[in-house]
Amino acid sequence: DAGVIQSPRHEVTEMGQEVTLRCKPISGHNSLFWYRQTMMRGLELLIYFNNNVPIDDSGMPEDRFSAKMPNASFSTLKIQPSEPRDSAVYFCASQEGTGKRTQYFGPGTRLTVL
Amino acid sequence: EDQVTQSPEALRLQEGESSSLNCSYTVSGLRGLFWYRQDPGKGPEFLFTLYSAGEEKEKERLKATLTKKESFLHITAPKPEDSATYLCAVHPQGWEAAGNKLTFGGGTRVLVKP
Repeated sequence: DAGVIQSPRHEVTEMGQEVTLRCKPISGHNSLFWYRQTMMRGLELLIYFNNNVPIDDSGMPEDRFSAKMPNASFSTLKIQPSEPRDSAVYFCASQEGTGKRTQYFGPGTRLTVL
Repeated sequence: EDQVTQSPEALRLQEGESSSLNCSYTVSGLRGLFWYRQDPGKGPEFLFTLYSAGEEKEKERLKATLTKKESFLHITAPKPEDSATYLCAVHPQGWEAAGNKLTFGGGTRVLVKP
């Protein structure tokens, strides 16, 4: 299996622009998680989906952030408009449900907002 | 509120010098405690899951243990390739219905010098 796939790996954009991050979970995994990692705050859960349905989005920092999972093999995290404080590494992770509780992480997208 | 504290923040070891990393946690009820390894520029890589006090797991030079308030990751005779950031995370009770909602600690950066 290719593991969790994220794109792009690096994104540099200017303040005010829209940013879309993409994730393909491991085939057969039915839970998907979006995290943000910064030096100051560490690894924070933003939102997670189970069977394509958002379960908990309490970690989403502001209305500028939105996430979708239109099908079992694809999810997006969108920031509109982006701000410099959104600069971070964004990770996607997936998990196989029903007793198997290990989350497997993708390689991350490093976002820089100028 | 669930809290996870890791210590020390950074650890410098000579090759072969064994040591331990600490993960202290405060949760309403523990469903599982996870250890991950993270290399620079990569996503966290799963190492262990511990479910109950007294449980131990080993993998090569790493051994994880769990008590009711903390977990230790013991590194025996480390090698330079063990250099990484080690993260622990807790899965509190109440979230088993739909995936894991993990709370991560800040990590311990380990550098093993030859």
